[in-house]
Amino acid sequence: QPVLTQSSSASASLGSSVRLTCTLNSGHRNYIIAWHQQQPGKAPRYLMKVESSGIHNTGSGVPDRFSGSSSGADRYLTISDLQSEDEADYYCETWDSDVWVFGGGTKVTVL
Amino acid sequence: EVQLVESGGGLVQPGGSLKLSCAASGFTFSGSSLHWVRQTSGKGLEWVGRIRSKANDFATAYAASVNGRFTISRDDSKDTAFLQMNSLKIDDTAVYYCKRVKMTASMTAMDWGQGTLVTVSS
Repeated sequence: QPVLTQSSSASASLGSSVRLTCTLNSGHRNYIIAWHQQQPGKAPRYLMKVESSGIHNTGSGVPDRFSGSSSGADRYLTISDLQSEDEADYYCETWDSDVWVFGGGTKVTVL
Repeated sequence: EVQLVESGGGLVQPGGSLKLSCAASGFTFSGSSLHWVRQTSGKGLEWVGRIRSKANDFATAYAASVNGRFTISRDDSKDTAFLQMNSLKIDDTAVYYCKRVKMTASMTAMDWGQGTLVTVSS
């Protein structure tokens, strides 16, 4: 079964960039993942899908400040020109035929 | 505009049952998979289970933590999915979200509902 590992927190200054990492466990390095954002008190929102090739498929209405990339077992979400509304929890998610799993989430703080 | 609206949450005693609904609009419901995801207070997201489309035989799959107690179904004529929860435990207390997933070779769409709170307590 796939397992996803995320750092618990990250912070960056307003207007700067931050890169979040989601790491797949051994045997699942080529899996596709999805990134979701959850702002405080709100439901999650799909941001994008990131493939092992680095190709990412961004959801409708997602600002182009959000981008995805990949390296080995790591999948990245980069937020450029960080805004106050980007302060949120970010979850990665992956799936196998009959199992879907989430990472533990990364809390992003905008300084 | 895609909308998913959950309902049916509430307070239930341990061992009891509850049925959640997820009413969909703004997309072709019959062509999408429907997932249920839960979140305990202040914690992360946990996948509960999913039901595929008719084209995929309405196949269901569940997390080990709910397998045998929860059942997901759908009524495509009413654009609605359901989560039947039996033998509820205190640990099942959470906000329950439905999530639509549509993936093809050329596109991916995932949309979330606003969630409904289930509290299991005596």
